[in-house]
Amino acid sequence: ETGVTQSPTHLIKTRGQQVTLRCSSQSGHNTVSWYQQALGQGPQFIFQYYREEENGRGNFPPRFSGLQFPNYSSELNVNALELDDSALYLCASSPNNYGYTFGSGTRLTVV
Amino acid sequence: AQTVTQSQPEMSVQEAETVTLSCTYDTSESDYYLFWYKQPPSRQMILVIRQEAYKQQNATENRFSVNFQKAAKSFSLKISDSQLGDAAMYFCASTPREYQLIWGAGTKLIIKP
Repeated sequence: ETGVTQSPTHLIKTRGQQVTLRCSSQSGHNTVSWYQQALGQGPQFIFQYYREEENGRGNFPPRFSGLQFPNYSSELNVNALELDDSALYLCASSPNNYGYTFGSGTRLTVV
Repeated sequence: AQTVTQSQPEMSVQEAETVTLSCTYDTSESDYYLFWYKQPPSRQMILVIRQEAYKQQNATENRFSVNFQKAAKSFSLKISDSQLGDAAMYFCASTPREYQLIWGAGTKLIIKP
C-alpha cells in the first residue's frame, strides 16, 4: 500500500497559463476526488471520477477538467489561470466510494 | 444545499486535558455521513472519525469520540487526554452520497505543554 501521491508539491504559474496537477492512487482505488482549499478555508469539491468517468461535479467552471487513467492515476487541468485559483489542491481516492485517503496536496500560486 | 459550520476558529487545551470541537450542519437529506478530519502542517487530510447518520450510537476511536445530535444537527468532537501530536487544523465534513464532502472552515487546535 503506497498511499496517495501528488505532484508537484508546489507550483507557481502566471495568470492566463494552463496547469496540470497529478495524483497517483493506490491499486484498486477506482474512485478519485479533487478538492480546492483556499488559504484559511475548508476544501471545496471540484469533481469526482469513477472508473475513468466523471460522476460528480461541484460549482467550478469548465476550465477545470480532469482525467482518470486505468493505472489509478489522475490529473486535474486548469486552463486560463486566474489569481483566485491560488490554493492547495487535494486529491483523495477510495476503493469503495467511502473511506477516502488523501494526498498531501499541490500548492498552486498564480501570479 | 448542505452546509457545515464550525464556529470556533481556534481552541487551546492543556496537554492531558479534554477538549470539545463544535460542528453544526444543515441538510435536507435523510441519510448522510459525517466526518472529522485532521490536517497537520504536512497538509494531508487524515480521517479521525466517521459517523453514519442512521446509527444512533456515537462513534469512538480511542481518545476521540463524537456527540451526534441528529435532531439538533450537531456533531461535536471530543478529544480526551490531549497530546502534543493532536495539534492541527480540524475539519468537520458531511456528505449525502458518500462523496462530494461538504467541509466546515476548520478549527485550529493548540496544545499547551
